[in-house]
Amino acid sequence: DGGITQSPKYLFRKEGQNVTLSCEQNLNHDAMYWYRQDPGQGLRLIYYSQIVNDFQKGDIAEGYSVSREKKESFPLTVTSAQKNPTAFYLCASSIKEPTEAFFGQGTRLTVV
Amino acid sequence: KQEVTQIPAALSVPEGENLVLNCSFTDSAIYNLQWFRQDPGKGLTSLLLIQSSQREQTSGRLNASLDKSSGRSTLYIAASQPGDSATYLCAVFRPGSWGKLQFGAGTQVVVTP
Repeated sequence: DGGITQSPKYLFRKEGQNVTLSCEQNLNHDAMYWYRQDPGQGLRLIYYSQIVNDFQKGDIAEGYSVSREKKESFPLTVTSAQKNPTAFYLCASSIKEPTEAFFGQGTRLTVV
Repeated sequence: KQEVTQIPAALSVPEGENLVLNCSFTDSAIYNLQWFRQDPGKGLTSLLLIQSSQREQTSGRLNASLDKSSGRSTLYIAASQPGDSATYLCAVFRPGSWGKLQFGAGTQVVVTP
């Protein structure tokens, strides 16, 4: 089945640690996105990528980094510079001409 | 900057009643609008996509309308069921935004048996 797979489902980070969230899609979509969701707030865009080896900062990129070495993969690293990383992280993708966006099942990151 | 607002933030209805969920946006120059459903702790499931040239879309018991001139979209869910309990989010694409969605905060719906 085509779709977006995020892993892991739950992730725990110690203070000062970098962690990487995985996002893989087999929809052959050009564009991929990372959003952050906090309770009671709408989703906020962290990074997006329109094409392999290219990506742009979204509204809240500080403390995060990404790579896009393959069309189907768009991993997100939460660095130690992100002071409040506890949140629900969602990955999405769409075709090049933006129509419908599809989302993964999310990764819940907790700082311990 | 585009602002997307969903009112009410929470809604509780008895089973069988029709649901009406509202979404408003400040910039009418949108490319299209998408409604999503989110269950607790889960990702987003796409319900309906309305292209900018369309005024409504229907899928089963769901109907979504779009009025760009007034900056509003409404999601109707007919004959609600307990399984419709979830958070419903709307999001808009803007021209030149290259697929970046601007989200509302969502409406949390509870349908009581």
